[in-house]
Amino acid sequence: DVKVTQSSRYLVKRTGEKVFLECVQDMDHENMFWYRQDPGLGLRLIYFSYDVKMKEKGDIPEGYSVSREKKERFSLILESASTNQTSMYLCASSPTGHLFYGYTFGSGTRLTVV
Amino acid sequence: DAKTTQPPSMDCAEGRAANLPCNHSTISGNEYVYWYRQIHSQGPQYIIHGLKNNETNEMASLIITEDRKSSTLILPHATLRDTAVYYCIVRVGVNNAGNMLTFGGGTRLMVKP
Repeated sequence: DVKVTQSSRYLVKRTGEKVFLECVQDMDHENMFWYRQDPGLGLRLIYFSYDVKMKEKGDIPEGYSVSREKKERFSLILESASTNQTSMYLCASSPTGHLFYGYTFGSGTRLTVV
Repeated sequence: DAKTTQPPSMDCAEGRAANLPCNHSTISGNEYVYWYRQIHSQGPQYIIHGLKNNETNEMASLIITEDRKSSTLILPHATLRDTAVYYCIVRVGVNNAGNMLTFGGGTRLMVKP
């Protein structure tokens, strides 16, 4: 019954590497989101997309980019990973329209940059 | 979106009701109250939402005061699996590009045997 799937649960990358975090949803939702979660800082929105090929910056987009080529897939890209991007990354999706269904989150990817 | 205030932590005995308060004194007429929870190392999970009437589903009940300035999430018979961080969020009830879900600090509920 998994609805939002993040490709990796744990990931370790080296400083300077290009990192791809993948998220797939099977609910035909229009909106998709990437958050990061850090102790004491809560969940912060990085980027979101409300349609294929559309993207909008969230609160902390610096150092990240995103790609949405298909409705069901939303990728977060760390162009050159740095240690301060070590974090838990959470993907979510939601339908457009009345917020009756809420957001559905994936289980998260814990990224460590060494 | 209206700001919310929640206690940082609460304890509850297993089998008892857990009552989690949330203050949202600046809530606007078209803003809903949403509750999510996040169990350790998982993504947040939607629990319930309401506008002004009390709501109940299979997970919890939501009690909203008549002036809508505060609300209480009730887990009627808390179990150890209800140990989580609970987030109260207030926002307009339309999903579109301009309405993001913003998470505050939440309440860390510890259910004890």
